[in-house]
Amino acid sequence: DAGVTQSPTHLIKTRGQQVTLRCSPKSGHDTVSWYQQALGQGPQFIFQYYEEEERQRGNFPDRFSGHQFPNYSSELNVNALLLGDSALYLCASSRGLLSSYEQYFGPGTRLTVT
Amino acid sequence: TQLLEQSPQFLSIQEGENLTVYCNSSSVFSSLQWYRQEPGEGPVLLVTVVTGGEVKKLKRLTFQFGDARKDSSLHITAAQPGDTGLYLCAGGAIYNQGGKLIFGQGTELSVKP
Repeated sequence: DAGVTQSPTHLIKTRGQQVTLRCSPKSGHDTVSWYQQALGQGPQFIFQYYEEEERQRGNFPDRFSGHQFPNYSSELNVNALLLGDSALYLCASSRGLLSSYEQYFGPGTRLTVT
Repeated sequence: TQLLEQSPQFLSIQEGENLTVYCNSSSVFSSLQWYRQEPGEGPVLLVTVVTGGEVKKLKRLTFQFGDARKDSSLHITAAQPGDTGLYLCAGGAIYNQGGKLIFGQGTELSVKP
């Protein structure tokens, strides 16, 4: 039973560039949430996708956008990268919207913006 | 705004000692999760508690959800070096429209042999 997978593992980008991160949920899960984790901090909720729609959004600017595909996989896009966007980006999957508090995380993508 | 505060932030103990990590808030949560995270990896779900006063045990780990669902604790008995890691509590927002988790800042545990 495959868990949550994310790609790429690491990424280095320059300020102003754009980046796309990818996530495949755990088998049987249909809801995907994205989190940003800065060094030494707990993860911060970015947004959540269910049935290919953004259902909830945290306190992140419009530079952060996402998409969910019919196979439940998801992408996180960040435009006009800033140095402060450097962080570990985590994808979490869960089953159904009402039970989606029980989330399983992928290994993350480490983004470095220079 | 719902916030979770964890204490202590850092804990360094010897193998065999017991410890307790606290997760507190002034807000009510619909659920409370505990995760363990190793450097450069994603958090691994340890337990979910949803009922006020609920106690769950996972080998040497005991988790408790406060009666009012505003706080939680994690107690480790006879800690081992393999318990070393970042422990995170996460609450399900009470007005849960889909499972946004609010995380504490984490407790960095180091167990020395």
